[in-house]
Amino acid sequence: SQTIHQWPATLVQPVGSPLSLECTVEGTSNPNLYWYRQAAGRGLQLLFYSVGIGQISSEVPQNLSASRPQDRQFILSSKKLLLSDSGFYLCAGMGISGANVLTFGAGSRLTVL
Amino acid sequence: TQLLEQSPQFLSIQEGENLTVYCNSSSVFSSLQWYRQEPGEGPVLLVTVVTGGEVKKLKRLTFQFGDARKDSSLHITAAQPGDTGLYLCAGLDNYGQNFVFGPGTRLSVLP
Repeated sequence: SQTIHQWPATLVQPVGSPLSLECTVEGTSNPNLYWYRQAAGRGLQLLFYSVGIGQISSEVPQNLSASRPQDRQFILSSKKLLLSDSGFYLCAGMGISGANVLTFGAGSRLTVL
Repeated sequence: TQLLEQSPQFLSIQEGENLTVYCNSSSVFSSLQWYRQEPGEGPVLLVTVVTGGEVKKLKRLTFQFGDARKDSSLHITAAQPGDTGLYLCAGLDNYGQNFVFGPGTRLSVLP
C-alpha cells in the first residue's frame, strides 16, 4: 500500500502562474521529508528537506519554496512559475519503510508552457 | 561535497545477457542504496549495503559494497525485459539526514 501520497499527478501551468504540490505521509510520525526534482529521467536533485513542522532547509536557490504545516504534510510552492521549473517532482520520506531508507511518492509531472 | 558517479549512463542489452553497473565516489559513505525507477513512477528501493565488502543477493541481482565504502556495483544475471528501468545509487551523507544520488544508469533489456 502506498504510504506517501502526492498530488496532482500531472499539471500543466502557464508561465507566471502559482504552483502548489502536496505530499502527505501515512503510517509514521515525525519523518524527515524531502522534495526532489528529476529532469529527463536522470538523477534526483534535492530541493528541500524538513526534519519537523515548520523546519525547512533549502539546498539550492530557486523560484520554489516549501512548507510543512503539519507533521505529515509537505508542500512545494511557487508564486510565479518559470519555464525551467518543468520537471518531475518527487516527495520522499525517511524512516517510513525502514531506518535510513527513502520511500518515494509516485511523483508529480509539471509542465510549464 | 559528497558526489556519486554512475557508469555506464546507458546500457542496452539482449534478454539473457549479464551486466554490471557501477557507482563510485571519492567520499566514504556509511551506507549505499540502490533504487530502480520505471518511467512516470517514484524510485523503489532494491537494497541497502552497510558493511565494507558486503555482498547481497536479490534473486538475479547481486550487490557489492566496496571495502573502503566508496563504491558499489550491481550485477544482473540473465537479464529480462522486466529489468528495464533507471537504476539509481544513493548514499546517506555524513550528517545522516540527506541522501546523495548518482545520475543513474538507464537499462534497456530487449526481448
